[in-house]
Amino acid sequence: NAGVTQTPKFQVLKTGQSMTLQCAQDMNHEYMSWYRQDPGMGLRLIHYSVGAGITDQGEVPNGYNVSRSTTEDFPLRLLSAAPSQTSVYFCASRNKAPGGYTFGSGTRLTVV
Amino acid sequence: GQQLNQSPQSMFIQEGEDVSMNCTSSSIFNTWLWYKQEPGEGPVLLIALYKAGELTSNGRLTAQFGITRKDSFLNISASIPSDVGIYFCAGQNYGGSQGNLIFGKGTKLSVKP
Repeated sequence: NAGVTQTPKFQVLKTGQSMTLQCAQDMNHEYMSWYRQDPGMGLRLIHYSVGAGITDQGEVPNGYNVSRSTTEDFPLRLLSAAPSQTSVYFCASRNKAPGGYTFGSGTRLTVV
Repeated sequence: GQQLNQSPQSMFIQEGEDVSMNCTSSSIFNTWLWYKQEPGEGPVLLIALYKAGELTSNGRLTAQFGITRKDSFLNISASIPSDVGIYFCAGQNYGGSQGNLIFGKGTKLSVKP
């Protein structure tokens, strides 16, 4: 049981490049979310999904795109990377019952 | 949007000491959660609280859901070096917010052997 798997673990991008951060979970969880973590800011919600085909914006969605074609996968796309998107990105999932999310181990992204 | 105030921001303690940290909000939550994050890893759930006034333990950790539903506390007894990390509180509501988590900014714990 792998839980939540994120790839890649590290990435360096040039300003203006695009890329996709991958997230997969094998727990059959309906809810999935993307967070970014910046020093002194805690974790902030980017986008979330309550099931396949359903996505919505979180607190800081600008510059990011998501889709959810399957229950297992929830990729995060950076459309045109900017230095302000340098951060650590976490994917998380949970089932329908109230309670906590299970987090992946993160992707550390640097935009130069 | 909702914001959580978590304190203290950091703590430097001696091994064996007890630790207390807390989280307050200007609005109520249905659920309070406490996570621990170690370097290079994602947050790991320690304790989840579902009812106002609830007191729940997980080993040396004890957390309480405040009676007003606007605060929560985490205590660690007899700290050990492996307790080092960043501790986050998170509040959760349902309905329109779909159960998304609102996080505090974390308490960084350092333990001197």
